[in-house]
Amino acid sequence: SQQGEEDPQALSIQEGENATMNCSYKTSINNLQWYRQNSGRGLVHLILIRSNEREKHSGRLRVTLDTSKKSSSLLITASRAADTASYFCATLADTGNQFYFGTGTSLTVIP
Amino acid sequence: EAQVTQNPRYLITVTGKKLTVTCSQNMNHEYMSWYRQDPGLGLRQIYYSMNVEVTDKGDVPEGYKVSRKEKRNFPLILESPSPNQTSLYFCASSDYRIPLGEQYFGPGTRLTVT
Repeated sequence: SQQGEEDPQALSIQEGENATMNCSYKTSINNLQWYRQNSGRGLVHLILIRSNEREKHSGRLRVTLDTSKKSSSLLITASRAADTASYFCATLADTGNQFYFGTGTSLTVIP
Repeated sequence: EAQVTQNPRYLITVTGKKLTVTCSQNMNHEYMSWYRQDPGLGLRQIYYSMNVEVTDKGDVPEGYKVSRKEKRNFPLILESPSPNQTSLYFCASSDYRIPLGEQYFGPGTRLTVT
């Protein structure tokens, strides 16, 4: 399987703190995307980073990509209770049109 | 409103009884895909379609069929469902550019096979 892994599996923080989650993947990629999923609902796209980029920002989100280590991290700054959700990374393989998702990080932000 | 719709949202069925889960998108996207989500395994791609009449296997295609006769619709067919296909299913679509960008997901279909 080409599925990636995320670390940690679960994360619990206080409101206002920063949350960092990591994603490791197995193949060469074209781009890497992060998605958010509220309990049992559809995924929502957060941010995309291309293989030739190292860092990208969007609002309170910061994504880094290290293709030599096949890893990415998502930082959410100044977290809010509404950020409570599961977060998934997804890679687009550079050999085709398939997406591979990580196993997800469950984030709980305590008010 | 741009959206991906799936029906039904919840389905309980018995082993061997053929079923179809419909997926439709109103964004004129070329790329559509089906995923299943299981606890601890994240999302795994079942099938995807680059355009009308073009479909390809994903990571876990066994036991599933798809068709893409129209651009907006991408139904998932389980000819003979088995209990190991009990899962949460998501349809997604994406605007076909090289490379593919963000995917838009439907609300999910929770399937239970007894």
